[in-house]
Amino acid sequence: EVHLVESGGGLVKPGGSLRLSCAASGFTFSSYNMNWVRQAPGRGLEWVASISGTGTNIYYGGSVRGRFTVSRDNATNSVFLQMNALTVDDTGVYHCARDATLDYWGQGILVTVSS
Amino acid sequence: QPVLTQPPSASATPGQRVTISCSGSTSNVGRNSVHWYQHLPGTAPKMIIYYNNQRPSGVPDRFSGSKSGTSASLAISGLQSEDEAVYYCATWDDSPNGRVFGGGTKVTVL
Repeated sequence: EVHLVESGGGLVKPGGSLRLSCAASGFTFSSYNMNWVRQAPGRGLEWVASISGTGTNIYYGGSVRGRFTVSRDNATNSVFLQMNALTVDDTGVYHCARDATLDYWGQGILVTVSS
Repeated sequence: QPVLTQPPSASATPGQRVTISCSGSTSNVGRNSVHWYQHLPGTAPKMIIYYNNQRPSGVPDRFSGSKSGTSASLAISGLQSEDEAVYYCATWDDSPNGRVFGGGTKVTVL
């Protein structure tokens, strides 16, 4: 059974940094693209970043490009999101999701950016 | 502002049919497959349609998807109370390269 579990969220001040992790199990991790998707309070889903199975191809949403970095470790079945220069607009629940179809999602982890 | 356009809400009585539209452009819906997700507050979104009209195992056949040109649709027939949720469409956009979502449609069972 596919499981995705996010961790690393919390409260951070504007301008600060945070690193999210997503632990995957139940499938051949290196064979799948992985994604980060977020939802701000009262808003819809917003795609943040994608990384291919080998880590070769990486894409970012316009609102995070230059500030966020996605990476993965296929040895530990984990995908990461390094978030720098955080603003209040980055507040929300961050989900990791598998594959180009986003067929499985984690429960999400809350990130709050506030002074 | 979401790249894909969905109506903010839709409603119907139990047993009826509700249809949700997802409008895009030639760089996204017009060229790439559309996927649909059901989202209940506080839970992980669930994929209910992939590659325009394919249903994952375990998803009732009351859910169906279609695509024509730059628009896609999700239909829920035989509406049930447990179908109350927010539904999102998503696809890949070739210009610029990235995944895009619709704004979400809240389905209410009257």
